[in-house]
Amino acid sequence: DARVTQTPRHKVTEMGQEVTMRCQPILGHNTVFWYRQTMMQGLELLAYFRNRAPLDDSGMPKDRFSAEMPDATLATLKIQPSEPRDSAVYFCASGLNRDTGELFFGEGSRLTVL
Amino acid sequence: AQKITQTQPGMFVQEKEAVTLDCTYDTSDPSYGLFWYKQPSSGEMIFLIYQGSYDQQNATEGRYSLNFQKARKSANLVISASQLGDSAMYFCAMREGNSGYSTLTFGKGTMLLVSP
Repeated sequence: DARVTQTPRHKVTEMGQEVTMRCQPILGHNTVFWYRQTMMQGLELLAYFRNRAPLDDSGMPKDRFSAEMPDATLATLKIQPSEPRDSAVYFCASGLNRDTGELFFGEGSRLTVL
Repeated sequence: AQKITQTQPGMFVQEKEAVTLDCTYDTSDPSYGLFWYKQPSSGEMIFLIYQGSYDQQNATEGRYSLNFQKARKSANLVISASQLGDSAMYFCAMREGNSGYSTLTFGKGTMLLVSP
């Protein structure tokens, strides 16, 4: 049963600490997305990769957030330094660059910054 | 302007009844796709149904159907014979342009509660 895998599922950290979230996309998928979900803003796109190349990271605060795909099986989202306003659920999703464009989501990483 | 609008923050329905969740969208692109996702309390996002802008017929997937009214720019989700397990948050989303070059934009969601 192919699925997107995200770690950690839950993370509590203190303001100023570095946070790294990891995502393993579904094997064979060539697009990877990072979304952030909050009560106030809903689901917001942070970054988008196609064939490991970053295509759009306009939704990401550049001064503290960074997203990379070191290889086809791993995507990372890093926050340094973290702030309380970064508290949210971070979703990774992957898809194929064809047909409907349907995305398959991971279970999310719930981040709490104290 | 909001690209995806879901005007119903919450909906209640009794088990076995049908329910319609509203979604309107805004785009000037002639090629687009509309999606519905379900998010149960466990948090994962589950794909339900897809409608392409050029599809002639309304999409159906089991108990889910999409009432696509292109002129009105609406893409309502209809769930027939509701079940207790349908209680969840439901999100409408849109892809503008071709699938290879576009991301999904999501609405704020509608919380559906199914009662016995």
